[in-house]
Amino acid sequence: DTEVTQTPKHLVMGMTNKKSLKCEQHMGHRAMYWYKQKAKKPPELMFVYSYEKLSINESVPSRFSPECPNSSLLNLHLHALQPEDSALYLCASSQDGPDSYSGNTIYFGEGSWLTVV
Amino acid sequence: AQSVAQPEDQVNVAEGNPLTVKCTYSVSGNPYLFWYVQYPNRGLQFLLKYITGDNLVKGSYGFEAEFNKSQTSFHLKKPSALVSDSALYFCAVRDPAGNNRKLIWGLGTSLGVNP
Repeated sequence: DTEVTQTPKHLVMGMTNKKSLKCEQHMGHRAMYWYKQKAKKPPELMFVYSYEKLSINESVPSRFSPECPNSSLLNLHLHALQPEDSALYLCASSQDGPDSYSGNTIYFGEGSWLTVV
Repeated sequence: AQSVAQPEDQVNVAEGNPLTVKCTYSVSGNPYLFWYVQYPNRGLQFLLKYITGDNLVKGSYGFEAEFNKSQTSFHLKKPSALVSDSALYFCAVRDPAGNNRKLIWGLGTSLGVNP
């Protein structure tokens, strides 16, 4: 079982709503990630936090706003989303971030299924 | 630029037969290579990785993969397939010495195991 926990598992929101996705890991990892995945496609990197600081933003629209309250928690705040934003949102963590030279494994949560109506 | 290819969109095997899911890569230096599996309506699960050392890597659920530097391949194998192995498999590569050290993903291979 994954040690990265994501809530909620399913979320349906209107285009004017504000909602948040939450993620927690208890592996002592220092890097946390948000990925977006469409059906049967590889995950697309959105954001990386390394040591609680945003280190990578893959030119994600501002309607997605990440937050890292501490080294174990990661949130993704959603506002004014579009139907094309409907997808599986995966949180992940690793011992170190992409800037390290180590071969650390990225561990994923089960994801939050988001539907924008 | 680094890249990874999974040449088969779909692989079908009979239960009990050996299975192979292919992956080839292109990086400028020595690669870090990973395999992940995604069961229907689930998140991604780590199977195994090659960082350095023995070219044959053993992972979860009886899977193994062989790193072949001359052929730039990292094929995933299992001696005897189970119906429960039916899933989407992703290969990923990272070049720790390159300018872009992020994980690069293949497009995935859907594995079907027939009873």
